[in-house]
Amino acid sequence: KAGVTQTPRYLIKTRGQQVTLSCSPISGHRSVSWYQQTPGQGLQFLFEYFSETQRNKGNFPGRFSGRQFSNSRSEMNVSTLELGDSALYLCASSIGDLPNQPQHFGDGTRLSIL
Amino acid sequence: KNEVEQSPQNLTAQEGEFITINCSYSVGISALHWLQQHPGGGIVSLFMLSSGKKKHGRLIATINIQEKHSSLHITASHPRDSAVYICAAPNQGGSEKLVFGKGTKLTVNP
Repeated sequence: KAGVTQTPRYLIKTRGQQVTLSCSPISGHRSVSWYQQTPGQGLQFLFEYFSETQRNKGNFPGRFSGRQFSNSRSEMNVSTLELGDSALYLCASSIGDLPNQPQHFGDGTRLSIL
Repeated sequence: KNEVEQSPQNLTAQEGEFITINCSYSVGISALHWLQQHPGGGIVSLFMLSSGKKKHGRLIATINIQEKHSSLHITASHPRDSAVYICAAPNQGGSEKLVFGKGTKLTVNP
């Protein structure tokens, strides 16, 4: 069974640009969650999608958005990039919605802002 | 918001030692997660537990709901156990679904 796939693995952007990251969950998993990891803040919850609906969003500005498609694949978008957006972005999928389900993580997208 | 604290922040051990990592949280929860992150970033979910104890190979996780405390133990530690271990708890009344500890960086020397 294929794991969670995130693309791209690495990305370099400049301030002011926008970026879209993709996540393909494990087949049959309906919940996809996104996380940001930085050295200073550690892991932080971004948002969770379940059956194409955003269930929760963490304390991030409106520049961070996402969506989930009918096949459960998810994308997150960050507009007007800032230097502080440099981070490892992880997605995880689970059969049911958080927080009472084990999660399966992708390898992450490492985003660097110049 | 649930506050999640982990200790120690860093831990160095010799191969074969028994390891304990602690996690405490401030608000009662339904389940707690233990995660392992290797250099390079990949995260593996080790345990999700809501009561008692779970064991997988040399790893044991325990939780005390009344004391709002969980521990992760590694028996007969090995250099391949070197990683960052992170606990995560559900957030009650906040926008974040999960709140994470800062992680414990474990280094096991041969």
